[in-house]
Amino acid sequence: GAGVSQSPSNKVTEKGKDVELRCDPISGHTALYWYRQSLGQGLEFLIYFQGNSAPDKSGLPSDRFSAERTGGSVSTLTIQRTQQEDSAVYLCASSLIAGVIHEQFFGPGTRLTVL
Amino acid sequence: GQQVMQIPQYQHVQEGEDFTTYCNSSTTLSNIQWYKQRPGGHPVFLIQLVKSGEVKKQKRLTFQFGEAKKNSSLHITATQTTDVGTYFCAGGGSSNTGKLIFGQGTTLQVKP
Repeated sequence: GAGVSQSPSNKVTEKGKDVELRCDPISGHTALYWYRQSLGQGLEFLIYFQGNSAPDKSGLPSDRFSAERTGGSVSTLTIQRTQQEDSAVYLCASSLIAGVIHEQFFGPGTRLTVL
Repeated sequence: GQQVMQIPQYQHVQEGEDFTTYCNSSTTLSNIQWYKQRPGGHPVFLIQLVKSGEVKKQKRLTFQFGEAKKNSSLHITATQTTDVGTYFCAGGGSSNTGKLIFGQGTTLQVKP
């Protein structure tokens, strides 16, 4: 079946603009996770959803970052007033249900470049 | 907060040599997962360890979870060029909230 998909694959924007990143999880997966990976770095947890609710938003770097999930499926990560330090690959993952016992399936990521 | 440290950050080996990466947590983990990310790719799940002292093998890969459930290791025997990539450990806290804390990863280069 189809894996996790993300769009766009690449996004170049100017400093100060808003961007929206989209994630389509695997069908039937109720948990969805957002991570950020800077060049040559590890994965930085941003937020996760169980269904449409976000029990843990602790990783969001600032109030310029927000995420929502509707219908228990697609999620959107929005970054307002982008800064150059926001440049990174944003990875989305999904799992059957939320819980550390379940493996996470990652999408290909969105590479964001802020000029 | 919970931190997961991974060493070394980089490792260059000659094909056929062994390789080990180590993962240490500041707190007791409920479980640990290992992922591999090929250059230009996304992380792919390798394995999960849950029990204290658990050892699992996948062909040339051996995974261990420490007795105190605070550390883990991945050992590759006789590396091949296909082993190239970055290996991440990811630990789950005891509350099983769904949040995994990833280590910084170990990038393995294999010289043919």
